[in-house]
This record gives sequence, structure tokens and C-alpha cells, in this order.
Amino acid sequence: AAGVIQSPRHLIKEKRETATLKCYPIPRHDTVYWYQQGPGQDPQFLISFYEKMQSDKGSIPDRFSAQQFSDYHSELNMSSLELGDSALYFCASSSRTSGSAYEQYFGPGTRLTVT
Amino acid sequence: RKEVEQDPGPFNVPEGATVAFNCTYSNSASQSFFWYRQDCRKEPKLLMSVYSSGNEDGRFTAQLNRASQYISLLIRDSKLSDSATYLCVVNHRGGGNKLTFGTGTQLKVEL
Repeated sequence: AAGVIQSPRHLIKEKRETATLKCYPIPRHDTVYWYQQGPGQDPQFLISFYEKMQSDKGSIPDRFSAQQFSDYHSELNMSSLELGDSALYFCASSSRTSGSAYEQYFGPGTRLTVT
Repeated sequence: RKEVEQDPGPFNVPEGATVAFNCTYSNSASQSFFWYRQDCRKEPKLLMSVYSSGNEDGRFTAQLNRASQYISLLIRDSKLSDSATYLCVVNHRGGGNKLTFGTGTQLKVEL
């Protein structure tokens, strides 16, 4: 079965640079979520979108923004990168119209390293 | 205090053993409950949703006690491939369905 696709899988940036992470949800999933997992930490919710509208916001820095496009893919834009932004960034998707509307399926993640 | 608490382990058990993980959550508005497993540097993978009546999937059994705000996972006949970190996860549907993770319990199954 098709899974969540994330790109790139690895990204190395310098401080103060920008980065864009992409997420392609499972086909027919309408909701996308972004999570950040620092070293030795559990995943922390950043932001989510349902039908291209922001549905919830977590601990996302003002330097980050995200959107969901008409084809349901989502992009996380990160500016003025800091060393502390180095982490695994996971995208997850779910479908509100399915019988298991609250189950989220995660992509393989993008490992961002800021030097 | 974290919203979802788990014993971090590690739990080192022999192959074939039965092992139980516990989890407590503090937000009484939590409405959906899950166990995920995460292998090192990989994505969390949904193991099972947890229902009030309890549910079983092969060697895995999950229980939920809403009154005590307690969730458990039982793994029977442990396999080497069960070695991973097990994450207790809850969500509050009023909060846009965002997931709140426990810190995970590390399991290592040994020969």
C-alpha cells in the first residue's frame, strides 16, 4: 500500500539559511500533520492542515510556516535556521472520511542538520 | 510533568517472554489512544489503536482504563523483531487531532 512520502530524506543547511520540506500524504487522505523529533526526544506536534486549511497549531516557531496545496501535498518552510532546529521532521496523514479517522500514518521523515 | 508518562525502560527480555508496558495520561479530555513502535532513526509506526473494551491483534493486547487514565500493552511470545521503542500516544479531538506522545519504552528481546 502507498505510504506517506517525504522529501528530501536528508538535508544539511547552515545557520540562517532556509529549508523547505515536502510531504505527500497517502492517497485520499485529507489531513496532514507535521512533527519535530529532536535527539532523544519524543515527536512534538508542529502544525496540521485539513482540506488545505490550517486546523491546529502546536509548538511551531514563527520562523516556520507551512501550507497544504490543492493536491493535498504539504510543505514546511523554515527560515533563519538555528542549530537547535536540527531534528527529524515527520509528516503524517489521516483521513476524516475513513472508519479510522484518528489514526495517523507517518512518513519516513526528513533529517535536518543545521551547521 | 509530561502529559503522557511511560517507564523508559529498557526492558531486556528473553525470546518467548511475555512483557507488559504501562502508560498514564493526565488530560481527561483525551479521546483516542494508540500504541506506536519506533525503530532507531525511523518513523513511528502504528501498532494498534486502543479501545475501551480492550483489543487484541495477534500477540499484542491493549487495554484502556479511562477512570484511572491508564493504558497498557501486553506482548506475548516476544520475538527478536519486537525490539524497538514503544510509544504510548493520545489525542484530543477538540485539539485538531494532534497526537501527544509519551517518551517511549525501550524493549530489547534477546536470544
